[in-house]
Formats: sequence, C-alpha cells, structure tokens
Amino acid sequence: DVKVTQSSRYLVKRTGEKVFLECVQDMDHENMFWYRQDPGLGLRLIYFSYDVKMKEKGDIPEGYSVSREKKERFSLILESASTNQTSMYLCASSFQGAPGGYTFGSGTRLTVV
Amino acid sequence: GENVEQHPSTLSVQEGDSAVIKCTYSDSASNYFPWYKQELGKRPQLIIDIRSNVGEKKDQRIAVTLNKTAKHFSLHITETQPEDSAVYFCAASPDSSASKIIFGSGTRLSIRP
Repeated sequence: DVKVTQSSRYLVKRTGEKVFLECVQDMDHENMFWYRQDPGLGLRLIYFSYDVKMKEKGDIPEGYSVSREKKERFSLILESASTNQTSMYLCASSFQGAPGGYTFGSGTRLTVV
Repeated sequence: GENVEQHPSTLSVQEGDSAVIKCTYSDSASNYFPWYKQELGKRPQLIIDIRSNVGEKKDQRIAVTLNKTAKHFSLHITETQPEDSAVYFCAASPDSSASKIIFGSGTRLSIRP
C-alpha cells in the first residue's frame, strides 16, 4: 500500500550530468514537496508545489529546479550535478486545507562522483 | 522564515526509562507542530502532532507539550522500549494543512537493553 513512490532507491551520477528524480503519489494530494536529508542537518526543503504547474522555492533551491505537469507527479531536476548534492532526497505529499502531516516516499540516495 | 532548533542531537536511555526531546521555533505564526519518527533505512512517519490551541496531547506512551509564549515544544516518551530506537524530527508549520513544514535537525534516540 505504498502511496508515494520515488523512482529510484539508489542513483550514482557523474559531476555535470543532468539528473531527474521522480516522485508519484496516488492519494490525489494537492501539495508535493522535495527535501534533502543530511546527517546533523535534518530535512531541508528544496521546492514545493501547491498545484499543477505551480512551484515555490524552499530554503535551499540553488542548483535545483522542479516540474509539476500532472497532479500526481513532482520531479526534481539537478541541472548540473555537483558532489555537494550527494544526499538522500525525500519526496512528500499532503492534502491542501486538511489537517495532518506529510506522507513521505522511501527516498532516493544520490551519489555524485 | 521559520527556524526550528532541536536538542539533543543524540540521546541514549535505559529501556523502561523516559526520553525527552526539546525543540524551539522562531516564527510566532507557526501553529502546527508535528513529530516524525524515522527508523533506520525507512521513511519518516508522523507519530503525533499538536496545534497551537492545545497545550498538551497524549497518545499511549507518547506525549507532546507546547509553550507558545516561550516558542518551545517537547516530545516525551515514557517506558521506552527497543522499538523506540530511531531518529525523531520535530517540525513547525504555519497551518495544520501542512502546506509547508520546517524540520529540526533530528535526535537519534538509542534504547539500551
């Protein structure tokens, strides 16, 4: 009964490559989010979206972009991967206007070499 | 923007004892405070949350307290068990629909047998 699916569990990319991380949810949630998780830094918000084709910057958007062409899918794009983007990336979703927390995906551990 | 600080970063307690994790937040507009538990290799999951019109909330062995004046909130786990070992994240949001959540840096809780 997985509700938020991230396309890759582990990913290794080279410096300078364009990287796409995909997230799909089947709960009809309006809100979708991308976080990165690093030891000692917790979960930091990269980008989020309240609706299709809508996006807002989080706290650390530099070096990233996002795309939300369909309600159920939210993609994180690393335009030119760098080694400091090696991290665990977590996607999450939630309902708009309803109480409750996020549902997280399982995460993608990205290594940039 | 909102800033959430969490202490301690690591906590080790004897099985059966209590554990307390403390957080402070900066934005007085925040009114929803969820707590997430992340077991090793798994996704974060919501374990309890509290809204600003409530001072305390309990769910079996877990309780959260909120002091809006001082802008701090705490997680209390009583009668700790081995399965409580995990990383715990506190968080703050401007609304209970979780349109945007800012997380603390996490506390790694270890339960000693």
